[in-house]
Amino acid sequence: DVKVTQSSRYLVKRTGEKVFLECVQDMDHENMFWYRQDPGLGLRLIYFSYDVKMKEKGDIPEGYSVSREKKERFSLILESASTNQTSMYLCASSPSPGQGIGGELFFGEGSRLTVL
Amino acid sequence: QKEVEQNSGPLSVPEGAIASLNCTYSDRGSQSFFWYRQYSGKSPELIMSIYSNGDKEDGRFTAQLNKASQYVSLLIRDSQPSDSATYLCAVNIQTSYDKVIFGPGTSLSVIP
Repeated sequence: DVKVTQSSRYLVKRTGEKVFLECVQDMDHENMFWYRQDPGLGLRLIYFSYDVKMKEKGDIPEGYSVSREKKERFSLILESASTNQTSMYLCASSPSPGQGIGGELFFGEGSRLTVL
Repeated sequence: QKEVEQNSGPLSVPEGAIASLNCTYSDRGSQSFFWYRQYSGKSPELIMSIYSNGDKEDGRFTAQLNKASQYVSLLIRDSQPSDSATYLCAVNIQTSYDKVIFGPGTSLSVIP
C-alpha cells in the first residue's frame, strides 16, 4: 500500500513565524501535491511537483513556497505565517502515466495549522 | 468561472435509494476524471476513476462521463448509512504534467 506521511498532524504557530510542513511518500511516485482545504471551498491546489527540483504553482501559491530535493519528500514552507493561512493542509502523491494512472492521488492524513 | 463545479448539496437520501452526484468541468482538454470520498475528519480516498465516455461500474458505484457536455456523475445504488460522506469530483488538467483540480464537494447523508 502507498503510504504518504505528513510530519505533523496539528501545529499552532504565531503570525510571522516560518512554518515547514513535511511530506514523505514511499511508492517512488514522481508527482506530489500540496492542497489546503477550507470549509465551503474544497481542496485548493497550492503547488505541485512532477520531478525532483521541479515545481509548478497551483491556484493559490501566494504566501507559500515548496522544496523537493529528494523524490520521496515534498515540503511546504510558509515564509511568514498569517492568520488567513489557518487551514488543513493535505499532501498527496500520484504515479506518472508510466508508473500507473496519472492523477490518482494518495493523500496523507493532513496537517491542521492554526496561526494565532 | 470555477474549473470544477458540483451540485452544492447537502444531499439526503433514504437508505436503499440511489444517490446521484453531479460534476461539470471547464477545461475541454481534460482527459481523466475521479471521484473521491472524504469522511469527516479524514483524508480523501479514491473510489472511482473514468477516462472514456460512457459508464464505468464498480460494485454499487457507477461513474458516467460525457466529454461533449463536460459532465461527470457518480451514482451510488442501494445507498447505505456508511456512504454518508463528502464526495469530491476531481479533474486531471493534463498539460505536460498532471495537475489535479477538485470541485468543492457534495455532502451526502444517507438516512436509515
